[in-house]
Amino acid sequence: AQRVTQPEKLLSVFKGAPVELKCNYSYSGSPELFWYVQYSRQRLQLLLRHISRESIKGFTADLNKGETSFHLKKPFAQEEDSAMYYCALNVGAGGTSYGKLTFGQGTILTVHP
Amino acid sequence: NAGVTQTPKFQVLKTGQSMTLQCAQDMNHEYMSWYRQDPGMGLRLIHYSVGAGITDQGEVPNGYNVSRSTTEDFPLRLLSAAPSQTSVYFCASSYLLAGDSYEQYFGPGTRLTVT
Repeated sequence: AQRVTQPEKLLSVFKGAPVELKCNYSYSGSPELFWYVQYSRQRLQLLLRHISRESIKGFTADLNKGETSFHLKKPFAQEEDSAMYYCALNVGAGGTSYGKLTFGQGTILTVHP
Repeated sequence: NAGVTQTPKFQVLKTGQSMTLQCAQDMNHEYMSWYRQDPGMGLRLIHYSVGAGITDQGEVPNGYNVSRSTTEDFPLRLLSAAPSQTSVYFCASSYLLAGDSYEQYFGPGTRLTVT
């Protein structure tokens, strides 16, 4: 069965410092990975997906199949980045996953001024 | 578009009571899901639906029922509430992008407390 692990429950950094939120997955097939973010009092929203290889709000994430990791990085953290971050895995090729996601435990990022 | 809406926002139940959490979407998405969010456990899939009349179980289905009579609505029923069902419940809808990828849209959540 697939699994997503986010080893850090809490992560604190100062404004302007680099930040890396770790995500490791367990899945034998070809995964599709996402990062979702939940700001205070807001709904969960998609931050980025690995297949688009884009940078959103300064965040990037690279899929490393050898290390089965999908770490989220930002070179200079901002106070508004403070939020809960979830790594999520979508399995099932050929449209069979139906958007069912397996989530990690979440990491609360706090960026101090 | 209102997106994904959920009612109520908050609910307190006594053990053994039943209730229905409502979820609706106006984006004509085929796929809808229910997740529960618990501290230290992330979000876990309860039930999902791939279209009207079709539902299936997720990771933690016990104690919950769903039905999908229309594309828009996907209610979650708690048959006999237990304290272990105290959680935040999220409904999501998704559609198929090109290349077998899905984009999920989440509702605002329902915070349920069972005493």
